[in-house]
Amino acid sequence: QKEVEQDPGPLSVPEGAIVSLNCTYSNSAFQYFMWYRQYSRKGPELLMYTYSSGNKEDGRFTAQVDKSSKYISLFIRDSQPSDSATYLCAMKPEVQGIQGAQKLVFGQGTRLTINP
Amino acid sequence: ETGVTQTPRHLVMGMTNKKSLKCEQHLGHNAMYWYKQSAKKPLELMFVYNFKEQTENNSVPSRFSPECPNSSHLFLHLHTLQPEDSALYLCASSQGPGLEGDEQYFGPGTRLTVT
Repeated sequence: QKEVEQDPGPLSVPEGAIVSLNCTYSNSAFQYFMWYRQYSRKGPELLMYTYSSGNKEDGRFTAQVDKSSKYISLFIRDSQPSDSATYLCAMKPEVQGIQGAQKLVFGQGTRLTINP
Repeated sequence: ETGVTQTPRHLVMGMTNKKSLKCEQHLGHNAMYWYKQSAKKPLELMFVYNFKEQTENNSVPSRFSPECPNSSHLFLHLHTLQPEDSALYLCASSQGPGLEGDEQYFGPGTRLTVT
């Protein structure tokens, strides 16, 4: 079983729709959760970062973490064609010391297309 | 230049060649990373450097040799690669361990093709 599971898609929705992207994970030690956006031929760009459980909102983006279900989500409201990209979830545990502290585990990425 | 830069952006090399990838970060960070991104696979961490010292080697074959001369520069030396090493190689940097979150910021990557 992979540590982080993410549906690779592709996911195609009309402009203005609400988009829901999800990841599940198996390691209960994960405490830090991130969402990255990667445009074609570019490196991943950090979108959202949350620590432990709860919600975080930034403009049209909302990140949710449900540690009891080992499930994280990214919601995009009023989706725009410019949101078309691959979205990667990433997570890591809270560890003492340096070893392993920076080892992010990524999902496979979901390719999203917003149609005008 | 701002953020994390990588050169070259594209590289085609034969299996007997030796080449190097370069990464530079302009963020004042203390940690730098190499990742491999292959089609239909998650990003794979290869190496981590903190304050120029290697702190992670994720069981990477010896044909990949990293070098970190200072906190701003990171190299990946390549020799006798295999076609399956063709991928996007991404460099990232972060402030360093012990800082909350320690978010990683990525460069644009080098698209490597091994023929």
